[in-house]
Amino acid sequence: GAVVSQHPSRVICKSGTSVKIECRSLDFQATTMFWYRQFPKQSLMLMATSNEGSKATYEQGVEKDKFLINHASLTLSTLTVTSAHPEDSSFYICSAQELYQETQYFGPGTRLLVL
Amino acid sequence: AQSVTQLGSHVSVSEGALVLLRCNYSSSVPPYLFWYVQYPNQGLQLLLKYTSAATLVKGINGFEAEFKKSETSFHLTKPSAHMSDAAEYFCAVSRSGGYQKVTFGTGTKLQVIP
Repeated sequence: GAVVSQHPSRVICKSGTSVKIECRSLDFQATTMFWYRQFPKQSLMLMATSNEGSKATYEQGVEKDKFLINHASLTLSTLTVTSAHPEDSSFYICSAQELYQETQYFGPGTRLLVL
Repeated sequence: AQSVTQLGSHVSVSEGALVLLRCNYSSSVPPYLFWYVQYPNQGLQLLLKYTSAATLVKGINGFEAEFKKSETSFHLTKPSAHMSDAAEYFCAVSRSGGYQKVTFGTGTKLQVIP
């Protein structure tokens, strides 16, 4: 149980294009989903928290117009990196949490490379 | 505010030896504590968690951790290292209660020497 998937696992795009990453909870209803960014050899940095049906709450320093988050259903959240630039290249990881539960379950991550 | 400090960014042990990964936390309220493992190019997998029940927590793959309030520690141990344990380990803390932001430590890379 508690499986979270991400798609795609790896994406390469040109500078200026937009990229959408999907995060799905496969066997539970994720009332809350989190998006993290991980630079090489570093820890996870929380980008935003989203509750189903509500606007995402972004961490300080994260541009909400650049990183669009949608959590339209209890099993799906999407992160869209708009007008991507090389500095956006990173490993993006989502996690999902069920109502009244204390554990976040993580997806396998998406490696984004912007050329 | 809450934070975790992982002592040692790299730890090397021989196969069969004790694994000890250190984690100290800071929290103004009773915390929840977690250990996650990350294999290269993969997401995080939950090893174990402390949520104010038993202070000695047993997790998957033979790992366990003990919550010591007096020392504000939550060190991860395994009696005998296996080659497959080589990975990066993250300690994390959150406030008790649901939907709390999780703060991660900087990670400890475990190397197992045959």
